[in-house]
Amino acid sequence: AQSVTQPDIHITVSEGASLELRCNYSYGATPYLFWYVQSPGQGLQLLLKYFSGDTLVQGIKGFEAEFKRSQSSFNLRKPSVHWSDAAEYFCAVGDSSASKIIFGSGTRLSIRP
Amino acid sequence: DTEVTQTPKHLVMGMTNKKSLKCEQHMGHRAMYWYKQKAKKPPELMFVYSYEKLSINESVPSRFSPECPNSSLLNLHLHALQPEDSALYLCASSQRQGASGYTFGSGTRLTVV
Repeated sequence: AQSVTQPDIHITVSEGASLELRCNYSYGATPYLFWYVQSPGQGLQLLLKYFSGDTLVQGIKGFEAEFKRSQSSFNLRKPSVHWSDAAEYFCAVGDSSASKIIFGSGTRLSIRP
Repeated sequence: DTEVTQTPKHLVMGMTNKKSLKCEQHMGHRAMYWYKQKAKKPPELMFVYSYEKLSINESVPSRFSPECPNSSLLNLHLHALQPEDSALYLCASSQRQGASGYTFGSGTRLTVV
């Protein structure tokens, strides 16, 4: 069975600084990987996804993620964060049969003015 | 239309009440999902419908009863809930079960008193 770990519960970065959120997955084959963002009391919005091909994936809102098979990682990056990026970020993994998606525990991002 | 619409946005119900949550999408997606999210936790999968048939039930108590009357509509019928069932209930849809990434609704905030 697949699983996903987000080791950072809470991260604070200054506005304009770069950001990297960590995600590690466990799955025997090539997984389907996702990053979602959730603002308080809201649903989840898909930032980006990786199925195959180029390991550097571009998403919405200036985010990107890199799939590294050797490290079983799919870290999310942004070169310069904005105050509006403050939210909860979830990494998720689906298996190749894609019957369901499992979410990591989430990383809460705070932005320092 | 690229949205998943959930109604109501907020619901307060007593433990003896019967209520229903509604989810609607008009994107032609053939898979629909119910997730439950407790505060500061990731979403947990409850049910998956694929082509209007129940595909996955994650051992959810029978006081939660899903229904998929057609490809655009997903209901969650609630009966004899407990206070610990209070949570944000999220509906999602995807083109097919699993892989393509989900579109989430904004959720129904349920409080059981």
